[in-house]
Amino acid sequence: DAGVIQSPRHEVTEMGQEVTLRCKPISGHDYLFWYRQTMMRGLELLIYFNNNVPIDDSGMPEDRFSAKMPNASFSTLKIQPSEPRDSAVYFCASSFHRSNTEAFFGQGTRLTVV
Amino acid sequence: AQTVTQSQPEMSVQEAETVTLSCTYDTSESNYYLFWYKQPPSRQMILVIRQEAYKQQNATENRFSVNFQKAAKSFSLKISDSQLGDTAMYFCAFLSNFGNEKLTFGTGTRLTIIP
Repeated sequence: DAGVIQSPRHEVTEMGQEVTLRCKPISGHDYLFWYRQTMMRGLELLIYFNNNVPIDDSGMPEDRFSAKMPNASFSTLKIQPSEPRDSAVYFCASSFHRSNTEAFFGQGTRLTVV
Repeated sequence: AQTVTQSQPEMSVQEAETVTLSCTYDTSESNYYLFWYKQPPSRQMILVIRQEAYKQQNATENRFSVNFQKAAKSFSLKISDSQLGDTAMYFCAFLSNFGNEKLTFGTGTRLTIIP
């Protein structure tokens, strides 16, 4: 397996534009997580899914953020409209069943909103 | 809510030396999981080592070992015979065993191995 795949690796967009980040989890993993990493706040969990169902979205900063998982092999994180303070590295991770197993991370998407 | 504290923002050691990174956490639970993740400049988060709280024996993975002190809520990482490739950010993380899948991360320690 190629691991967790995120796209794009880098995204630069203008304030007010819509941004969509994509993630393909490892095949067979039933948990999918979206994290955001900034210098100020470190690593924060935004939302996670179990079997494609959102379980906890309490980390989503505001209504401008939304996440979907239409099937077991694909998830999106959308920001609309984007703001400069959304600039961060966004990680997707997946794991199998109970979390005593390793959470595998993608390489992240570095988002810059200008 | 659980909290994870890493009190060393930066550390540096000479190659081949041993270095210990500190981590403390706060929880009211008795069973949980603890992890150390490494984030090299490539940005990829890589699991280094994990510890299950109900296991008294400290986990080891080759040159990496932990000192898990449950009563003190301390979980330090020891890297022996440090190598240049160990240069990275290191994050300590906590996971509850009670159905909550959230990994709570510390703020990280930037480790530099000096040739």
